[in-house]
Amino acid sequence: GESVGLHLPTLSVQEGDNSIINCAYSNSASDYFIWYKQESGKGPQFIIDIRSNMDKRQGQRVTVLLNKTVKHLSLQIAATQPGDSAVYFCAERDYNFNKFYFGSGTKLNVKP
Amino acid sequence: NAGVTQTPKFQVLKTGQSMTLQCAQDMNHNSMYWYRQDPGMGLRLIYYSASEGTTDKGEVPNGYNVSRLNKREFSLRLESAAPSQTSVYFCASSEATEYGYTFGSGTRLTVV
Repeated sequence: GESVGLHLPTLSVQEGDNSIINCAYSNSASDYFIWYKQESGKGPQFIIDIRSNMDKRQGQRVTVLLNKTVKHLSLQIAATQPGDSAVYFCAERDYNFNKFYFGSGTKLNVKP
Repeated sequence: NAGVTQTPKFQVLKTGQSMTLQCAQDMNHNSMYWYRQDPGMGLRLIYYSASEGTTDKGEVPNGYNVSRLNKREFSLRLESAAPSQTSVYFCASSEATEYGYTFGSGTRLTVV
């Protein structure tokens, strides 16, 4: 499989601060990326996606940035809340094989 | 609630025993997937079914078999469980292989 990795395995932030979670990918054929949130004991939940023809996409309190030059993806969470505590991981779709590859995840701890 | 339903949620097996993990989705999705999630690793694809009547191997198919019973249901079978198959198993579905997935809540399997 292709390499989808995260720079920081654990991130601790203060409630109310902004969080940035990073993801590196290595496959230049990847054309679609998704961020998932996984709370303890639950399945991954879709947060936001971005296609390779875009650099930025915004949702409610979340923004995904894509830098294709350096093959880097980031998830920004504004005004982080305790309910944001979870593992976040990125997934990339290989255009050639029409499959997704998942990173191992970053655990976000939000301190009250 | 619409979504992906997995049963059972927890299971303990003895080495050599067999079992089937069940998965059903009610979103009329064409594609279904089985993943395993191990500590420190990303989700790894075991088998998938791009559409009713088809199944294909993923990254880690050894020791598993699948059946796409109909459009709604996709089961995963362990014929002779091994301790290396201790993991959390997730079923997912998508409208098509090129779209993001909806995940079930997982089955935590322990093989002793």
